[in-house]
Amino acid sequence: ETGVTQSPTHLIKTRGQQVTLRCSSQSGHNTVSWYQQALGQGPQFIFQYYREEENGRGNFPPRFSGLQFPNYSSELNVNALELDDSALYLCASSSGVLRNIQYFGAGTRLSVL
Amino acid sequence: SQQGEEDPQALSIQEGENATMNCSYKTSINNLQWYRQNSGRGLVHLILIRSNEREKHSGRLRVTLDTSKKSSSLLITASRAADTASYFCATDADGGSQGNLIFGKGTKLSVKP
Repeated sequence: ETGVTQSPTHLIKTRGQQVTLRCSSQSGHNTVSWYQQALGQGPQFIFQYYREEENGRGNFPPRFSGLQFPNYSSELNVNALELDDSALYLCASSSGVLRNIQYFGAGTRLSVL
Repeated sequence: SQQGEEDPQALSIQEGENATMNCSYKTSINNLQWYRQNSGRGLVHLILIRSNEREKHSGRLRVTLDTSKKSSSLLITASRAADTASYFCATDADGGSQGNLIFGKGTKLSVKP
């Protein structure tokens, strides 16, 4: 167990809807990264938050947005859901921004119908 | 985009045999990590090797890194059924400027009892 918890574990939405995924980071960690993992693929970096500020973003459109709270927990919001957004969304926390080992939660499985 | 490419995509062995997985990457790195993922769950960090290291051991795991060839290998000795999982290599992006990880597509290892 990594101490990183994600909720919900599974979610079903329809195209065009909005979704919010939540992540509680491991105690003592101030950095949270979000990844999208399509079936049969490796995780792809969405964005990272460090001390409540976005600190890097991957190749994802603006309808993917996030927040980090003072307790370092984080949310991932996706607007105007598309079928291709169906994936496992992984949150990872670490204790620093650069070159640190990341500790992953179990993920949220999102299905868009 | 995918930085690392694991080879083979799938590997099936008998319990007690050794398993070797390879990873190639494209740009310069500060470190390379290997992660394990059980059946669509979260990723678990296995080992990190820095760019100035050539070999590293952790229990039954042995990792090598050849920066001139931009490649790494993960050896699992005396494999067990519990080692059945997908294995991913991950590198820091663009020399670690953003702290995010770039993953390959993974090697799916099946260890038969």
